[in-house]
Amino acid sequence: KNEVEQSPQNLTAQEGEFITINCSYSVGISALHWLQQHPGGGIVSLFMLSSGKKKHGRLIATINIQEKHSSLHITASHPRDSAVYICAVFQSKTSGSRLTFGEGTQLTVNP
Amino acid sequence: DTAVSQTPKYLVTQMGNDKSIKCEQNLGHDTMYWYKQDSKKFLKIMFSYNNKELIINETVPNRFSPKSPDKAHLNLHINSLELGDSAVYFCASSQDRLKGDIQYFGAGTRLSVL
Repeated sequence: KNEVEQSPQNLTAQEGEFITINCSYSVGISALHWLQQHPGGGIVSLFMLSSGKKKHGRLIATINIQEKHSSLHITASHPRDSAVYICAVFQSKTSGSRLTFGEGTQLTVNP
Repeated sequence: DTAVSQTPKYLVTQMGNDKSIKCEQNLGHDTMYWYKQDSKKFLKIMFSYNNKELIINETVPNRFSPKSPDKAHLNLHINSLELGDSAVYFCASSQDRLKGDIQYFGAGTRLSVL
């Protein structure tokens, strides 16, 4: 079982809908990242969280450290939001600190 | 200027060949990474270097050899390419490897081994 689980794997929405993508993890972490991978393949970091909530434009990310859970919300979704959204947790290990990735959520927003 | 640049963007080659992928960052970061994204789009770390020193070598075959001539460059050399090496390889960098800082990714190199 992957240390980082995302749901749903695929999500189709109509323009304007409120979208939630969930991420659960089973290991101790020092930070959690949300990444966006565009259809062209490029990866962009959206948020880095270690507690609470962050907001950037129409995107909101929350994390509950006790429950080992994070959510990414998109308000007033738009077709340009169509992408793969990836949750990644940052762990400090003796073998080297690193990001461990979820399998991604493919979001398609239809006009 | 692109913050993290990888070359080439596409690489098509025959089994058994040796190839290299180059990565450069102009962000002044101390830590650089190589990730592999398989056909299912799953990302996994391969290597991490901090200021030219190897930090992570994640169960990657010996055919893969990273080289960091300075902290702004981390190149990936692959010997005796196999079909299973076909994937997209991403380079990334971050300022502080211990704090989990935001990582900046290159555009990726799509490797196809025929």
